[in-house]
Amino acid sequence: EIVLTQSPGTLSLSPGERATLSCRASQSLSSSYLAWYQQKPGQAPRLLVYGSSSRATDIPDRFSGSGSGTDFTLTISRLEPEDFAVYYCQHYGSSPLAFGGGTKVEIK
Amino acid sequence: EVQLVESGGNLVQPGRSLRLSCAASGFNFDDYAMHWVRQAPGKGLEWVSGISWNSDSIQYADSVKGRFTISRDNAKNSLYLQMNSLRAEDTALYYCAKDTHHSSNWEAFDYWGQGTLVTVSS
Repeated sequence: EIVLTQSPGTLSLSPGERATLSCRASQSLSSSYLAWYQQKPGQAPRLLVYGSSSRATDIPDRFSGSGSGTDFTLTISRLEPEDFAVYYCQHYGSSPLAFGGGTKVEIK
Repeated sequence: EVQLVESGGNLVQPGRSLRLSCAASGFNFDDYAMHWVRQAPGKGLEWVSGISWNSDSIQYADSVKGRFTISRDNAKNSLYLQMNSLRAEDTALYYCAKDTHHSSNWEAFDYWGQGTLVTVSS
């Protein structure tokens, strides 16, 4: 069973700053089956990135994913006001699927 | 427009059963695997179960194995979750979600419903 550990738990930044979120897997992920989601209060999660680095439909290019093996990163190049939310990484491809514990990006 | 609409959530006593439904529209339902994901109040996301497009592959999280059953009716564009022997720790918002691609593996989830709330309490 793959366990995903996200860090930091909370990231306090100002609009316009760069955000770097980390997701570490307990074992290597084959074929980079790693996705990132954004969730705002009262809303369902929204897919941002899949396959470690492919942006989902209609996702702005300020969001980028990278990494392979056990270490993955979501980068938001310049934070917009609407980007303050909780972000989850997810392993898929094989069962059991798993989510990380989340990183909250809050306004400093 | 893709839509996933969950229903069936309710307040239920421990040990009782509940059946959730997810009505899908706006895409070829029988081409995609589907999943249930839950979120306890104030907590993170937990994958519960997944079912392949033709129901040949079904998987569960250890926390619900033996108590929950996922199924689908492609003729009705519907996904279900039968939940038996409910416990307080099953209290959560339950989302249904669609796989991104038609594939032999599980994929990322590109569409989610708004969720249905299950509360297990005496």
